Amino acid sequence: EPEVTQTPSHQVTQMGQEVILRCVPISNHLYFYWYRQILGQKVEFLVSFYNNEISEKSEIFDDQFSVERPDGSNFTLKIRSTKLEDSAMYFCASSGLAGGGSDTQYFGPGTRLTVL
Amino acid sequence: AQSVTQLGSHVSVSEGALVLLRCNYSSSVPPYLFWYVQYPNQGLQLLLKYTTGATLVKGINGFEAEFKKSETSFHLTKPSAHMSDAAEYFCAVSRYGGATNKLIFGTGTLLAVQP
Repeated sequence: EPEVTQTPSHQVTQMGQEVILRCVPISNHLYFYWYRQILGQKVEFLVSFYNNEISEKSEIFDDQFSVERPDGSNFTLKIRSTKLEDSAMYFCASSGLAGGGSDTQYFGPGTRLTVL
Repeated sequence: AQSVTQLGSHVSVSEGALVLLRCNYSSSVPPYLFWYVQYPNQGLQLLLKYTTGATLVKGINGFEAEFKKSETSFHLTKPSAHMSDAAEYFCAVSRYGGATNKLIFGTGTLLAVQP
């Protein structure tokens, strides 16, 4: 069964450093998402991406964050200058149909980011 | 604005007992509702979803949920718990007619199953 994959599973970085989290969505999917979960808190939406552009972003997704689909398979989240409060589990998700609220999103296993 | 409340961050049941995980939502428009499960060190897996039509939704692994508009609820149930059901369960809502289906999650319920 097709699945969403994410690398690395765990990333440790120093405050102020740039990190890139990588995701490979399901191959025929069109919509891509990033969510994060700070330890002990709820899963929060960060950004959605369709047709090579951001379709929606949350207040969390400020200028320090960017997303890219550099080729036909990868979907990346970049944090330019990490802060302690960026420490969280980051989930990538994808969905394949025409968009809209009823689509099922398929999630990857997550990348745990630890900022020291 | 939409929101989800899950009552009980931790629920413990005995093997073979009824599982009931509570979810209430707030939405000014017709919602789409989802239950996801997360096993240790894995991603979120869809259990079931309600979009339109029949309000009792059956999902994988014997779980079901009923959409009750009058109560703004979407509680998850399973008649008989199995040890393998131990996991964290998340209720989520998305927006009918939205351009993208941003999911808004509850805080999750950790289910423990005692032998």
